[in-house]
Amino acid sequence: AAGVIQSPRHLIKEKRETATLKCYPIPRHDTVYWYQQGPGQDPQFLISFYEKMQSDKGSIPDRFSAQQFSDYHSELNMSSLELGDSALYFCASSEESRKSYNEQFFGPGTRLTVL
Amino acid sequence: DQQVKQNSPSLSVQEGRISILNCDYTNSMFDYFLWYKKYPAEGPTFLISISSIKDKNEDGRFTVFLNKSAKHLSLHIVPSQPGDSAVYFCAAKDAGGTSYGKLTFGQGTILTVHP
Repeated sequence: AAGVIQSPRHLIKEKRETATLKCYPIPRHDTVYWYQQGPGQDPQFLISFYEKMQSDKGSIPDRFSAQQFSDYHSELNMSSLELGDSALYFCASSEESRKSYNEQFFGPGTRLTVL
Repeated sequence: DQQVKQNSPSLSVQEGRISILNCDYTNSMFDYFLWYKKYPAEGPTFLISISSIKDKNEDGRFTVFLNKSAKHLSLHIVPSQPGDSAVYFCAAKDAGGTSYGKLTFGQGTILTVHP
């Protein structure tokens, strides 16, 4: 079965650079979520999109932006990178999030290292 | 403010015995709970879920119990197998307001099952 695809899997950047993370949801899934997991921490919700519109926003810095495109893939854009942005970034997708009870399926994550 | 708490960072169990992972929450708006399993370098994998209208859900070797009055849930794995060794995350969803969909995670419990 098709899973959530994230690219790249690993990314190394320097401080103040920009990075773009991509997420391709499971086919027919209309909702995408982004989470950030720092070292030794639990995943923290950043932002989500339902039918290409932002549906919820969590602890996402103003330096970050995201969008969902017409083919439902999503991109997380990160600017003015800081050392503290080094983390695992997970994308998850689900179908019809307006139903309360639906599972989110996670991608393998992108490991971002900021030097 | 940790709204979902897994107070045991690690648990060690003998193969064939029962593993019990615990989770407490503080937000009474949470009405759907999920357990995810995570291996290193992979994204969280959905295991089992329970809605707040139930107190038990069973799927094969995995059973989740929910005690709403105590704001406590637990995951039972019987019998435990070495392949179950992973990090287990408890997650909760608030289906009301504007926060539908997003998951709030606990800190995770590292389960080690010894042969």
